[in-house]
Amino acid sequence: LAKTTQPISMDSYEGQEVNITCSHNNIATNDYITWYQQFPSQGPRFIIQGYKTKVTNEVASLFIPADRKSSTLSLPRVSLSDTAVYYCLVNQAGTALIFGKGTTLSVSS
Amino acid sequence: DAGVTQSPTHLIKTRGQQVTLRCSPKSGHDTVSWYQQALGQGPQFIFQYYEEEERQRGNFPDRFSGHQFPNYSSELNVNALLLGDSALYLCASSLPSGFTAGANVLTFGAGSRLTVL
Repeated sequence: LAKTTQPISMDSYEGQEVNITCSHNNIATNDYITWYQQFPSQGPRFIIQGYKTKVTNEVASLFIPADRKSSTLSLPRVSLSDTAVYYCLVNQAGTALIFGKGTTLSVSS
Repeated sequence: DAGVTQSPTHLIKTRGQQVTLRCSPKSGHDTVSWYQQALGQGPQFIFQYYEEEERQRGNFPDRFSGHQFPNYSSELNVNALLLGDSALYLCASSLPSGFTAGANVLTFGAGSRLTVL
């Protein structure tokens, strides 16, 4: 079973900031939080990974509170091409990635 | 630098047949994982290979088997195909744990779409 809970779907408009929150109440000390993006008929693509506080790269930011029981993926100024399924996962080094159903983000013009 | 390549991209089989799917990992990666993704669902972990051995396995029957070759490429075999085996089969490669900080990051291929009639 996936160890995370996230919204099934979200809607947004071009240019807006999108925040997708993921709950992982039973996160273990050695777990990292990783987000993947998947377009139809393609494999998932790594977006960002973090352990605590805030991580930022050229694509997104990941906010992790001190208790690490949740995390928020932030996508700044989304475009139509950001329409995809976003998966939140927690796992330790060397363990298999267990995917849930993810969050389907729909971006409209 | 080629990423993960999978073949074939599409194939159609009938119930009871056997299928072999192939995967070449990203250059520098030596760990290969296989996932099954049914329509509208997240990828389900089948198994992972490292150093030519199955290291971890998900909740899949023995009809699903695999192999990893010395060049790190891998095959997924499914015997006695069922209609429910119709799915996108994804291969992902990664560096072994301990070689990078954090948890292992997977690089996925585009998948092999299997249809069982």
